[in-house]
Amino acid sequence: SQQGEEDPQALSIQEGENATMNCSYKTSINNLQWYRQNSGRGLVHLILIRSNEREKHSGRLRVTLDTSKKSSSLLITASRAADTASYFCATVGYSTLTFGKGTMLLVSP
Amino acid sequence: DVKVTQSSRYLVKRTGEKVFLECVQDMDHENMFWYRQDPGLGLRLIYFSYDVKMKEKGDIPEGYSVSREKKERFSLILESASTNQTSMYLCASSLRVGRGGNEQYFGPGTRLTVT
Repeated sequence: SQQGEEDPQALSIQEGENATMNCSYKTSINNLQWYRQNSGRGLVHLILIRSNEREKHSGRLRVTLDTSKKSSSLLITASRAADTASYFCATVGYSTLTFGKGTMLLVSP
Repeated sequence: DVKVTQSSRYLVKRTGEKVFLECVQDMDHENMFWYRQDPGLGLRLIYFSYDVKMKEKGDIPEGYSVSREKKERFSLILESASTNQTSMYLCASSLRVGRGGNEQYFGPGTRLTVT
């Protein structure tokens, strides 16, 4: 399967700092998606980047995609305590997603 | 807003019981999915369905079955629950590819404990 792998597994920062999470995958993709999961809850879709795109922004989120390196990064700028969550990348088959194991982000006030 | 609901947030069952997990979505999505989530293993796809009465096996279908009699409802069935099926179960739905992409919308999850 085209599983994404996030790095680091855990990240701890202070409010106001930027947080960067990386995702590597193994095979060609149609698109790559990032999701957030607050503790014990369902996942929420954050952003989708297509294979022909290199960068995408949504509010404080910036996603990059390098298909030659089979990697993506998610940058959260000016982080807030409410950003504390697990973040997952998901690579896309025709109609299914394959999720990585996630990065746990802790933002301290 | 898309809403995906799951029948229970927490469920405790005994080994050998038959367990039904229900999922309902209200946005006329064709695709529906069941995942389980375990620490250190991430989300793994159990089954998915792209139409009423259609089902496809995911990565870990053993010990599970599904039912989709109506478009909005997708049920996960544990025929004889075992302790290794203790997990968080997440349901999701999405539009059919070609109808707007495959962003998935998740329910809140059911934490199942089998004793």
